[in-house]
Amino acid sequence: QQQVKQSPQSLIVQKGGISIINCAYENTAFDYFPWYQQFPGKGPALLIAIRPDVSEKKEGRFTISFNKSAKQFSLHIMDSQPGDSATYFCAASKQGRGSTLGRLYFGRGTQLTVWP
Amino acid sequence: NAGVTQTPKFQVLKTGQSMTLQCAQDMNHNSMYWYRQDPGMGLRLIYYSASEGTTDKGEVPNGYNVSRLNKREFSLRLESAAPSQTSVYFCASILSWGITDTQYFGPGTRLTVL
Repeated sequence: QQQVKQSPQSLIVQKGGISIINCAYENTAFDYFPWYQQFPGKGPALLIAIRPDVSEKKEGRFTISFNKSAKQFSLHIMDSQPGDSATYFCAASKQGRGSTLGRLYFGRGTQLTVWP
Repeated sequence: NAGVTQTPKFQVLKTGQSMTLQCAQDMNHNSMYWYRQDPGMGLRLIYYSASEGTTDKGEVPNGYNVSRLNKREFSLRLESAAPSQTSVYFCASILSWGITDTQYFGPGTRLTVL
C-alpha cells in the first residue's frame, strides 16, 4: 500500500508560471513532510520541508501548503524557471525512535519541465 | 567534506553474477539507507541501518543483503543478480534515526542486469 500519493506524474509549465504538485497521505501519525528535488544523474536533495503545526512554509519561490484535515500537502513554485526543470518527490515520516519510525515514505515523483 | 559517496557509478552484470555496491559518508551520521529508484515508482527503501551494528529490512529487501561495516560505510550486496534488479541505487544518511530531518543522498549507482 502506497503511503504517499503524488500527482501529477508530469507537468509542463511556461517560464514565469506557477507549478503546483500535490500529495496526499493516509497515516495521521506522520509529522514531517519534506520535498526533494532531483536533477538528471544526481541524487535527490532536500528542497523544503514542513511540520503539521503550520499551514504554510515559504522559502524564496518555493511554498509548501499543508492541509491537516484533508491529509494533503502541495508544493508551489512561483515564477517557474527552466532551471527548476527536475523531478520532485514528496515524502512523509513519523519522527521518533523505534524500528518503523524515522523512515521516509516517498511519493512516486513528478517530472517538471519549464519551457523558456 | 564529500558527503555521501557511492561506487561504482555504473555497472553492467549478467544474470546470476554477484556484486557489492559501496557507500560511505563523512558526516559522522549514525543512520544509513539503501533505496532503489525505478521509473514511475519513486524511491523504495531496501534496507536501513539505524546505527552501527544494526540493520533492518525496508520495503523491498528480497534479493539483497547489507553490511554496516563501520559507522562510515554501508554496503549492499546482490548475491545472484536478476534483470528485475536493474535500477538506480541510492545510498542516504541521516545524523540520527528519527531525530534529524534531512536525509542526504549519494549520487547513485546505475545498475543494468542482462
